[in-house]
This record gives sequence, C-alpha cells and structure tokens, in this order.
Amino acid sequence: AQKVTQAQTEISVVEKEDVTLDCVYETRDTTYYLFWYKQPPSGELVFLIRRNSFDEQNEISGRYSWNFQKSTSSFNFTITASQVVDSAVYFCALSEPQGGSEKLVFGKGTKLTVNP
Amino acid sequence: EPEVTQTPSHQVTQMGQEVILRCVPISNHLYFYWYRQILGQKVEFLVSFYNNEISEKSEIFDDQFSVERPDGSNFTLKIRSTKLEDSAMYFCASSEKGTSSYNEQFFGPGTRLTVL
Repeated sequence: AQKVTQAQTEISVVEKEDVTLDCVYETRDTTYYLFWYKQPPSGELVFLIRRNSFDEQNEISGRYSWNFQKSTSSFNFTITASQVVDSAVYFCALSEPQGGSEKLVFGKGTKLTVNP
Repeated sequence: EPEVTQTPSHQVTQMGQEVILRCVPISNHLYFYWYRQILGQKVEFLVSFYNNEISEKSEIFDDQFSVERPDGSNFTLKIRSTKLEDSAMYFCASSEKGTSSYNEQFFGPGTRLTVL
C-alpha cells in the first residue's frame, strides 16, 4: 500500500536559515513517482518537483534542492537561505502509475514558517 | 498557459442540500481527478475519471458522491446530501494521458465548500 510520512508537523526558522523538510514513503511498486507541492496561505497547490523511481540524481533549482534516496525510501527537500515568502505548507506525494489511475497519495504536510 | 479552472471559488450550503462543484480541465487532457482537503489536513484522493467512467475511487467516495463529464469541457462533482463533514477544499486536477510514462496532474485553484 502507498503511504507518505512527513514527520515534521511544523517548522519555524529565521530568514536566511537553511531548512530541510523530510519525507519518507512506502510502496510495493518498483516504478513510482515522488512529488513536492507547496500550498501558500492562499490555498492553491503549487507543483515544485517530480522524480521517478529510476532517477536518484539529486536536483537543485535555485534555493531548492531535493535528495532522493531509495535505500532509505526518503525524498527530502531543502530550502537554502529561506525567505519569508517560503512560508507555506509543503506536501510530499507519491504516485504508482500501475493500473492507469496515477492518483496522488499525499503526506500530512509540513507547515513552514519563516520569520523575518 | 492553459490552466484548470474551478467554480465557484467558495460555496456555502445547508446540511442535506445537494451541491455541484464544477471544473474545466485543460482542453487536451484525458484524465480527471477530484481531491479533498479538510481544513488543516492532508489532500486526499477522491476519484479518477477516464473515458467517461470512473477508473478508481477511494473509500471516501461513497454513494453520496458522483462525477460526470456532461459535455466536452466540464467535469463535475456532485454531493447529493451534504453533511457537516463534507466541509473542505475540493481540488480538481487533470492530466494529458495515463500511460506508462507519467503525466503531470495540473490542479485547479480549489472550491471551498462550507456546510452549515
């Protein structure tokens, strides 16, 4: 069964600090996809990144970076030099494409507050 | 840039009333989804829809819920007799196709449903 665990419910940092959001997943499939979404206070879901299970290369996009480790079933997200605008709830999600539905299974989210 | 739209942005209804939430997916997309997010909680999959039928549904999606694609552009979620616990943000999403290579789900801005 698919499961995504985000153990950190809330994190509070001061601007310019680095912060890592943890995500651990469970799946029985060998082919799967992992995602991070940002949900600002306005409520919409903003897509940040997608990784497939065959690509363990870490990725960097500006101040954002992602560390995918299949050995520990983790897909962690780091924000470098955090800014107040990064304050949001961040969701990690998993999809198993087998069967064609490709539904997303979300974690409970981590609320990040960046203080000035 | 094409986007998923949802109407209304906020719907208030009395318990026991029927509501229809509307979504216009991206025009060339073939897979459609509804997700629900109770305030402060995680985003949960409700149903996926392809080729004019439900391809997968969660246990949340009971007989009170139905989906329909009444014409070539709209995708609707109907709740027959709303309950207080149906109060949530409802997100519609669509993707281009659901084959072996993953296709990103594009989310609409959500409809906030409040049941009084």
